[in-house]
Amino acid sequence: DTEVTQTPKHLVMGMTNKKSLKCEQHMGHRAMYWYKQKAKKPPELMFVYSYEKLSINESVPSRFSPECPNSSLLNLHLHALQPEDSALYLCASSQERGSWAKNIQYFGAGTRLSVL
Amino acid sequence: AQKITQTQPGMFVQEKEAVTLDCTYDTSDPSYGLFWYKQPSSGEMIFLIYQGSYDQQNATEGRYSLNFQKARKSANLVISASQLGDSAMYFCAMREGLTGTASKLTFGTGTRLQVTL
Repeated sequence: DTEVTQTPKHLVMGMTNKKSLKCEQHMGHRAMYWYKQKAKKPPELMFVYSYEKLSINESVPSRFSPECPNSSLLNLHLHALQPEDSALYLCASSQERGSWAKNIQYFGAGTRLSVL
Repeated sequence: AQKITQTQPGMFVQEKEAVTLDCTYDTSDPSYGLFWYKQPSSGEMIFLIYQGSYDQQNATEGRYSLNFQKARKSANLVISASQLGDSAMYFCAMREGLTGTASKLTFGTGTRLQVTL
């Protein structure tokens, strides 16, 4: 089973709202990732958590706040977003041990976010 | 400089034919992995196939195979016997460095494949 579950699938929010995106995996993976993808572009890495600690922040604005409460769960808290933040937000996870073959990133179906 | 280059923005292939999607990469790290993902219009990124830099043989997974030419730094995806469900965006990606360390995937710009009857 290589399932990464993201909720909600769609989200519409105003610029003053606070919302959260959720990502869950039960594969025992110890690294989890947030990516942002604009239309017709490749995904861009935002954050990486390794063993529940933030290991990479790709200079993401503070209006995006990640959280990793446990090894299976990853949240992305959103506050005071701008219309240009509208995008597909993808979560991924990987095992992070052993050979290259075991470090494949598996993605969820994403959350389509619209900021009005 | 681009680390992953996909020069074909769009490709058409007839059903049941084979198609090759090009990918070249640039790295000075001797340890790296190359990955192909499929992204249908629904949005999910689906892992297809991977090749490690030290692998001697080309990777294969069902109808997918990876034509790995290390000296030319290319990792082309070959899809045999195309099906209508193969219509999607395809991304080539690379990960550099040692295993056991969470690190980023660098993606190419993608190739949109359209399978026709």
